[in-house]
Amino acid sequence: TQLLEQSPQFLSIQEGENLTVYCNSSSVFSSLQWYRQEPGEGPVLLVTVVTGGEVKKLKRLTFQFGDARKDSSLHITAAQTGDTGLYLCAGGTSGSRLTFGEGTQLTVNP
Amino acid sequence: DARVTQTPRDKVTEMGQEVTMRCQPILGHNTVFWYRQTMMQGLELLAYFRNRAPLDDSGMPKDRFSAEMPDATLATLKIQPSEPRDSAVYFCASGLVHAGTGTEAFFGQGTRLTVV
Repeated sequence: TQLLEQSPQFLSIQEGENLTVYCNSSSVFSSLQWYRQEPGEGPVLLVTVVTGGEVKKLKRLTFQFGDARKDSSLHITAAQTGDTGLYLCAGGTSGSRLTFGEGTQLTVNP
Repeated sequence: DARVTQTPRDKVTEMGQEVTMRCQPILGHNTVFWYRQTMMQGLELLAYFRNRAPLDDSGMPKDRFSAEMPDATLATLKIQPSEPRDSAVYFCASGLVHAGTGTEAFFGQGTRLTVV
């Protein structure tokens, strides 16, 4: 069974602060995806990384895939209240299976 | 604006009753997932299909859950009989398989199931 562990589980910060969320596994994945989920909605895809060591930037969000393709991180610079939500990482395989971590609940306070 | 459509949005039922949840995947997507989300377990993969064929349903309790794709525009998840521990939000997602890297999933809004 492929497991993804996210840390921290909960994070409460002030607007303007920086933060990093981690996603770790003992398994190798073909791709690593990050999703964001708001209350009452389904998760929405933010980014996919596929190459070991790959770094992708989406405005204030920076995503990195570990060299061994077993872990990933999400860094948010100067967090805003609109960044509040549940951040989920998911590991993909060539066989279509998509396994999610338990998520990091981020609260950005004004 | 292509999106995954799930019905119903909310369902309250009594223990022992049959529950059917429906999903219309995005046209052209060849992979469909069913997930269950609870506070305790997070997002659990129940089953997934590629080109309407079930690839893996090992996440489902086989004695009471069944998932089917009668055609490319409809996926169903059925629970019979339902139990209070089945209370959760059930998500359907669809996507296209990318060679070598897997599938990016597009989620519906979910069905919130409460079994009393």
